[in-house]
Amino acid sequence: NAGVMQNPRHLVRRRGQEARLRCSPMKGHSHVYWYRQLPEEGLKFMVYLQKENIIDESGMPKERFSAEFPKEGPSILRIQQVVRGDSAAYFCASSPQSNQPETQYFGPGTRLLVL
Amino acid sequence: QKEVEQNSGPLSVPEGAIASLNCTYSDRVSQSFFWYRQYSGKSPELIMSIYSNGDKEDGRFTAQLNKASQYVSLLIRDSQPSDSATYLCAVKGYGGATNKLIFGTGTLLAVQP
Repeated sequence: NAGVMQNPRHLVRRRGQEARLRCSPMKGHSHVYWYRQLPEEGLKFMVYLQKENIIDESGMPKERFSAEFPKEGPSILRIQQVVRGDSAAYFCASSPQSNQPETQYFGPGTRLLVL
Repeated sequence: QKEVEQNSGPLSVPEGAIASLNCTYSDRVSQSFFWYRQYSGKSPELIMSIYSNGDKEDGRFTAQLNKASQYVSLLIRDSQPSDSATYLCAVKGYGGATNKLIFGTGTLLAVQP
C-alpha cells in the first residue's frame, strides 16, 4: 500500500535553471496539495489540485511557479528561473475523494537547493 | 495576529510524564483540526484529527478541542524518547472549496530518558 511518492528526493539547481518536482498521490486519492517549508519556518500552503483542475492557488507566488495535475501521470510543481530564496523542502500531500477530504497524508518531500 | 499559533518550545519532559502541547487559532468558523508529528529532516506524519468539542483519544494521544476558546491541544501520556519531535497544529482553511491546511510553526518536544 504505497504512500504518497515524490521525486526527486533531493534536487540541486543553479540560479536561473528550472526545477520540476513530481508527486504521485496515494492510491485512491484524487486531491493533491503542495506545501513549502523554509528553513526554521512552518509549512506554508501553495496550491490545491484535483485531476486537470487547480482548485486553490492562493499560496503560489505570482511569478515563476506553476503546478499541474494531468489526467494521467503525477502532479508537477514547476519553478522557473530559480533563485536562492527558493531553497526549501517542498512537500506534496494527498487526500481521498470522500468524507473529510481535508485529511491529508504527506509524501517524503523534495529538498531543493539553489546554488 | 498569526492564524495558528503554537509555542515554539522546546518543551522538555521526563520519560513517562505527560506532554501537553497547545495551539490557538484565529478563525472562529474553523471546523477541522489536525496534529502532525515531524521528525527532523522528515515529512509530517498525521497523528490525530478532531472536529467536535471535547476529547478524542487514540492510544497514548488525546486531542482536546474547545471552539469557544479557539483552542486545541494534544496530550501525550507516558512520553517516550521516541516521541521527541516537532508537533505541528493545523487548521483547515476557510472559505470557498479549499481544503488547504494552515499550520502553526510547531512545538519542539524533547523527552528526556
